[in-house]
Amino acid sequence: GQQVMQIPQYQHVQEGEDFTTYCNSSTTLSNIQWYKQRPGGHPVFLIQLVKSGEVKKQKRLTFQFGEAKKNSSLHITATQTTDVGTYFCAGRSYGQNFVFGPGTRLSVLP
Amino acid sequence: SAVISQKPSRDICQRGTSLTIQCQVDSQVTMMFWYRQQPGQSLTLIATANQGSEATYESGFVIDKFPISRPNLTFSTLTVSNMSPEDSSIYLCSVEVGLEQYFGPGTRLTVT
Repeated sequence: GQQVMQIPQYQHVQEGEDFTTYCNSSTTLSNIQWYKQRPGGHPVFLIQLVKSGEVKKQKRLTFQFGEAKKNSSLHITATQTTDVGTYFCAGRSYGQNFVFGPGTRLSVLP
Repeated sequence: SAVISQKPSRDICQRGTSLTIQCQVDSQVTMMFWYRQQPGQSLTLIATANQGSEATYESGFVIDKFPISRPNLTFSTLTVSNMSPEDSSIYLCSVEVGLEQYFGPGTRLTVT
């Protein structure tokens, strides 16, 4: 079945540094979503990417969907302590349900 | 958007018993999903529940263990049957609205 992988598993950064998490699927995706889960909270939808090579920005967050639609990345510029949490990607193959990656846990040191 | 509530928020249960988790949405939705999340782990889809049809279970999950009801477009229940300590987890319901997926706050289940 479809597998979704994410790296790194953990990332510790100093406040103000940049952060990137990468998501890779074993199959071609129809779309991919990104979520943020704060400690003790539930996943919160951030964005969906659909088109090959698509790039979307939300303030300091930049999301990219690979040309082959098998990988994606989330980049945060100048991290803040409010960015702390686990970032999950969820990939959907055509006609299938979303499969979540294992997540990247981000900690930001003030 | 959608606002989702779940009951109970947490429970401690003895092995061999069953627990029914309720999920209420503030708007009518076609598709509802039930996920399981072990502490510090990712989300695993248990089943998809559409109103008016039988729930569709993912590989590794069966109806006898996780019966689901979907009586209307705003409500669903998930029962965890004959529980064992391995069922200790957070159970979340979610709905799809447009292109977005919204999650409930989760039910933290501990089986002793």
